[in-house]
Amino acid sequence: GAGVSQSPSNKVTEKGKDVELRCDPISGHTALYWYRQRLGQGLEFLIYFQGNSAPDKSGLPSDRFSAERTGESVSTLTIQRTQQEDSAVYLCASSLDALHGAFFGQGTRLTVV
Amino acid sequence: DQQVKQNSPSLSVQEGRISILNCDYTNSMFDYFLWYKKYPAEGPTFLISISSIKDKNEDGRFTVFLNKSAKHLSLHIVPSQPGDSAVYFCAASYSGNTPLVFGKGTRLSVIA
Repeated sequence: GAGVSQSPSNKVTEKGKDVELRCDPISGHTALYWYRQRLGQGLEFLIYFQGNSAPDKSGLPSDRFSAERTGESVSTLTIQRTQQEDSAVYLCASSLDALHGAFFGQGTRLTVV
Repeated sequence: DQQVKQNSPSLSVQEGRISILNCDYTNSMFDYFLWYKKYPAEGPTFLISISSIKDKNEDGRFTVFLNKSAKHLSLHIVPSQPGDSAVYFCAASYSGNTPLVFGKGTRLSVIA
């Protein structure tokens, strides 16, 4: 497809379970970002991949969060032992680089019950 | 500590008038600034950007102004249309190779 694709679009999980969120960036985009937006809040940076550089993980809120990216393609964000405060919309974005603006996917709405 | 601040959570403007959305930043290393627009249940969409070597960038009804000395930027929409009603996020980065830092957003309502 032409845009950033995220799956699933919605996920309801029980507290304590692990979840995996997927992002397919735009082909050729070397930069990939994960953000989350909690209800009524702004966009919170989680992690950033740029080419072959080591990812910037400075935004990950705890060691329960991790992300992987295979080359310049798919990325997965994994949340282990989910907590209710993890409930949010998780947004993935990709860009050629920061100078070109990032294109966002539709997001994955995660609800932890 | 918020590096990008949008101090107005909401703004209401009449159709046809100018909408001015403001953004302040604290990190003087930021050299690239962007505005995004977000509708409910959709991801943010890129609107317009400006690099620190400019003080103005225009694209149709949208103009972004940058005041580096004040560490302030603004987005002007003129004339405002009901379809512009959305949440607008300001974002910043530096070196062209760092993650975007977003503000908390301003909800714009354009009233017909």
